[in-house]
Amino acid sequence: DTAVSQTPKYLVTQMGNDKSIKCEQNLGHDTMYWYKQDSKKFLKIMFSYNNKELIINETVPNRFSPKSPDKAHLNLHINSLELGDSAVYFCASSQERQETQYFGPGTRLLVL
Amino acid sequence: QKEVEQDPGPLSVPEGAIVSLNCTYSNSAFQYLMWYRQYSRKGPELLMYTYSSGNKEDGRFTAQVDKSSKYISLFIRDSQPSDSATYLCAGLLAGGFKTIFGAGTRLFVKA
Repeated sequence: DTAVSQTPKYLVTQMGNDKSIKCEQNLGHDTMYWYKQDSKKFLKIMFSYNNKELIINETVPNRFSPKSPDKAHLNLHINSLELGDSAVYFCASSQERQETQYFGPGTRLLVL
Repeated sequence: QKEVEQDPGPLSVPEGAIVSLNCTYSNSAFQYLMWYRQYSRKGPELLMYTYSSGNKEDGRFTAQVDKSSKYISLFIRDSQPSDSATYLCAGLLAGGFKTIFGAGTRLFVKA
C-alpha cells in the first residue's frame, strides 16, 4: 500500500550514460514533482506536473527530461550523466492542497 | 541570499527537553509555510503547515509564524529519541506548484 514509490532505489553508473528513474503514486493526486537533494541535504525542486502538463521547470539542464504518461506516473530520464548529477532524487505528489506533499523513498544516484 | 534559511545544526538535546527550531525567509509571495521532517535515508514527511501569523499546535509540536518578520519556529515538547531527524522549513509560492525548502536542521535527541 505504498503511496509514492520510486524505482530503482539505488543507481550507480558511469559518466556519459543515460538512465531513467520511475515514480508512481496510488493516492489519486493530480500533481507530481521531482526534487534533487544534494550532499548537503539541500532539497531543490526540479519539475512540477499537473494533470500530465509541465508547470514548473526550474532551469534544469535539458539533459533531464521528465515524462508523465498518466496522472499516476512521472518518470525522469537523464542523458549524458555527469559527476554533478550524483544526488538523491525524490518524487512527490499532492492534490489540491499543495502544501501537503507526499514524498517517495528517494533514488540514490552515484555517477562515477 | 537563500529564500529560506535555517541553522544546519546539528542540535543535540537530552530526552524530554523542549526543542526550538528556527527558520527565516525572504520571499513575501509564500502562501503557505511548512515544516517537514526527514529521517535518515527516507523521504520528507509533512509535520505541519500554516498560512497565517500565530501559533498552530499538533500534539507535541507547535509552529509559530511571524509573517511581518518572516520568521518561523517549530517547538517540540517532551522530545523523544524518535524525534531525531532533519527538520526542513519550506514555503509554497502563491499559485502553487513550487515549494522552496531550507537546507534543514539536524536534531539529535539523546536517551
